[in-house]
Amino acid sequence: KAGVTQTPRYLIKTRGQQVTLSCSPISGHRSVSWYQQTPGQGLQFLFEYFSETQRNKGNFPGRFSGRQFSNSRSEMNVSTLELGDSALYLCASSLDSGGTIGELFFGEGSRLTVL
Amino acid sequence: QKEVEQNSGPLSVPEGAIASLNCTYSDRGSQSFFWYRQYSGKSPELIMSIYSNGDKEDGRFTAQLNKASQYVSLLIRDSQPSDSATYLCAGNNAGNMLTFGGGTRLMVKP
Repeated sequence: KAGVTQTPRYLIKTRGQQVTLSCSPISGHRSVSWYQQTPGQGLQFLFEYFSETQRNKGNFPGRFSGRQFSNSRSEMNVSTLELGDSALYLCASSLDSGGTIGELFFGEGSRLTVL
Repeated sequence: QKEVEQNSGPLSVPEGAIASLNCTYSDRGSQSFFWYRQYSGKSPELIMSIYSNGDKEDGRFTAQLNKASQYVSLLIRDSQPSDSATYLCAGNNAGNMLTFGGGTRLMVKP
């Protein structure tokens, strides 16, 4: 069974640009969550999608957005990049059979560097 | 104050000893808790989940939950150098959002 796939794995952008990250969940998983991981702040929740609907959103500015497609694949977008957006962006999928989020399967992440 | 708090460590234990990792949480609405392990340069992987008060054992790992004290712990028996990693505690709050602690770095010395 294939795991969670994230693309691209590494990318370098400059301030003011925008970036789109992609995530393909484990087959059959309908919930996709996104997290930002930095050495100083740890893992911070960005948003969670289930059946194309955003169910939860973390405390990030509106520059961070996401969406989920009918095949459960998800994308997140960051516009007007700032230096502080440099981080590892992790996508995680969940079976969510009982409606409770917690047993997450993470992808390898997309490491974004903003210069 | 973060919703889930962990001592950042490092926690250093000798090989074969019991490693005890602790976590406290502030949201009394949290019902489910999880321990993830993250090796350096890798993504987190789920190792234990616990949903009710008491102990849950899985091989060398035991998770403990005390909702009255808002306390979660993970015990690793017979610690091995391969257990050296950062251990992340996570709780599912009342809003069904999974919030992670900052992680505790465990070092198991041969």
